Amino acid sequence: DVKVTQSSRYLVKRTGEKVFLECVQDMDHENMFWYRQDPGLGLRLIYFSYDVKMKEKGDIPEGYSVSREKKERFSLILESASTNQTSMYLCASSGGLNTEAFFGQGTRLTVV
Amino acid sequence: AQRVTQPEKLLSVFKGAPVELKCNYSYSGSPELFWYVQYSRQRLQLLLRHISRESIKGFTADLNKGETSFHLKKPFAQEEDSAMYYCALRGNNRLAFGKGNQVVVIP
Repeated sequence: DVKVTQSSRYLVKRTGEKVFLECVQDMDHENMFWYRQDPGLGLRLIYFSYDVKMKEKGDIPEGYSVSREKKERFSLILESASTNQTSMYLCASSGGLNTEAFFGQGTRLTVV
Repeated sequence: AQRVTQPEKLLSVFKGAPVELKCNYSYSGSPELFWYVQYSRQRLQLLLRHISRESIKGFTADLNKGETSFHLKKPFAQEEDSAMYYCALRGNNRLAFGKGNQVVVIP
C-alpha cells in the first residue's frame, strides 16, 4: 500500500544537465514537500506546496525549482545540476493540522 | 522563522538502559511537534506526535512550551530501537526537521 512514490531510486546525471525528480501521492493531500538528506545535516527543506500551483521556498531553494500542476504530483527541478547537489532527495505529503507526513522511498542523485 | 535543534548526533546506549533524545524548537505561533524515525533501509515514518500524548513502542515525548522542548524518552532501550530519529515542527504549512540523532543500542 505505497502512498508516496518517487519516480527513480537512483539517478546519475552530468554537471549542467536539467534534472527532473517526480513525486506522486495517492492520499489527496494538500501539502507536499521536497527535502534533501545529507549526513550530519538532517533533512533540509527545499520547497513545499500547500495547494495546486502554489509553492513556497524552503530553507535551501537555490539551484532548484518546483512544479505542481496537479494535486497528486510535485516535481523538483534542478535547472543545471552541479556536483554539490549530489544527495538523497525525499518527497513527502501530508493533510491538515497535526496529521502525519508520509515519505517516499527517496532518490539517490549523483551528479558527476 | 521556525527552527528545530537536536544537539547530539550519535547516541550509543546499552540494551535495557534509558534513552533520551533532546529536541528544542523556536516558533512564534502554536507548534505542531512530531518525532519521526528511519530504520535501516526503510522510509522515514512517524513515531509520535505531541497532540496524541500517547506511547508508541515504549517512547513518549512531552511538549514543554516554557522550555520550548519536545524531548523523546524510553525507559528501557531495545536493539530494534537502533535507528535515526528526527524531531519535526510544523507551522504555516512548513514542516521543518532537526539534524537527527543516530541511536545505536548495544546488545
